[in-house]
Amino acid sequence: AQKITQTQPGMFVQEKEAVTLDCTYDTSDQSYGLFWYKQPSSGEMIFLIYQGSYDEQNATEGRYSLNFQKARKSANLVISASQLGDSAMYFCAMRDLRFGNEKLTFGTGTRLTIIP
Amino acid sequence: NAGVTQTPKFRVLKTGQSMTLLCAQDMNHEYMYWYRQDPGMGLRLIHYSVGEGTTAKGEVPDGYNVSRLKKQNFLLGLESAAPSQTSVYFCASSYQGVSYEQYFGPGTRLTVT
Repeated sequence: AQKITQTQPGMFVQEKEAVTLDCTYDTSDQSYGLFWYKQPSSGEMIFLIYQGSYDEQNATEGRYSLNFQKARKSANLVISASQLGDSAMYFCAMRDLRFGNEKLTFGTGTRLTIIP
Repeated sequence: NAGVTQTPKFRVLKTGQSMTLLCAQDMNHEYMYWYRQDPGMGLRLIHYSVGEGTTAKGEVPDGYNVSRLKKQNFLLGLESAAPSQTSVYFCASSYQGVSYEQYFGPGTRLTVT
């Protein structure tokens, strides 16, 4: 069974600072994918970044990067130069990459608040 | 291109009533999913579909049924609503291919009294 753990229920960060949101995962599978989603107060789920377990380089998407440490089973999200619009809930999720296993397992989320 | 849409956006039911939530996507995605989100918890998968005419159980399927008669639509039914089904329901879809992200609808807030 897969499990995602996000140990930071809430974080407060000064605007323009970098922030790291922690995510650890547990799986016995060798092939899997890791995702981060953002959920603003309006409620929609917004995809941010993806990392495959066999990808050698850390994924980056604009101000978002994923610090992937496979041996430690961690997939932390790093947001550089935080902005007020980054205030939201952030969810880490993983997916078994075996064909036919379509379940996306989510963590409980981290509420990020950017302070002006 | 509307993406993933859900109807209704809000609904209040009494215990024992039934209802159907409709999800529609216009991206020609093969895979579709229904999740529920409860306070303090991440999203949990209820049911999903890997193609027209197929459905499969997710993590929390009890009390729900689904149908995928058309590729673009995925229906979630509650036959006899219970207060424990008070939640926000999200529909999502994705391309076939497990590295693709899921695109989410705006959610339906359901309250069962």
